Amino acid sequence: TQLLEQSPQFLSIQEGENLTVYCNSSSVFSSLQWYRQEPGEGPVLLVTVVTGGEVKKLKRLTFQFGDARKDSSLHITAAQPGDTGLYLCAAFLISQGGSEKLVFGKGTKLTVNP
Amino acid sequence: DSGVTQTPKHLITATGQRVTLRCSPRSGDLSVYWYQQSLDQGLQFLIQYYNGEERAKGNILERFSAQQFPDLHSELNLSSLELGDSALYFCASSVAGGPTGELFFGEGSRLTVL
Repeated sequence: TQLLEQSPQFLSIQEGENLTVYCNSSSVFSSLQWYRQEPGEGPVLLVTVVTGGEVKKLKRLTFQFGDARKDSSLHITAAQPGDTGLYLCAAFLISQGGSEKLVFGKGTKLTVNP
Repeated sequence: DSGVTQTPKHLITATGQRVTLRCSPRSGDLSVYWYQQSLDQGLQFLIQYYNGEERAKGNILERFSAQQFPDLHSELNLSSLELGDSALYFCASSVAGGPTGELFFGEGSRLTVL
């Protein structure tokens, strides 16, 4: 069972379109992160959201953390070919022993066609 | 450039063999994480070390082991390799590794088991 469910799995759109991708869980998290991974490279952090209901903007990207801190969304306005990549959400999972591990969803593979 | 260096970038080997993947974290980072990325499973957390000590463990197979050395570089050893071990292996580092910490990923080591 995947702790973080991302949807859609694949998304192909034309340049200039808007899109939203989702990250959902039945668990509550203290924070959630979004990463972008391009082919041949490792993931790169885009944003960390901490407070329920928080909205953060990064140029044309808008990130929202759900009020209950169980889900998050990423909205891209006027998508460009440079936005193409794998978008991953991630959250720290704290075990009963107190150790923390960063777990990832399977990602949304976005292709923006010129 | 994330500052995290992984070697080798590509590795082709046969079933039953053993390989060692190496990771040099960013200067000053004390935590090292290892992840396995495959098409069907996504990015799976394997293990984390903090300042030489094992901090958290994920779905790491018994055939796999890792360690972090006094100079903070880390090695991931994969033995008795199987076809299913073919994947991208990423190393990441962070200053500490707390719930809002940013992970910096290397470019990965692509392992192909034939």
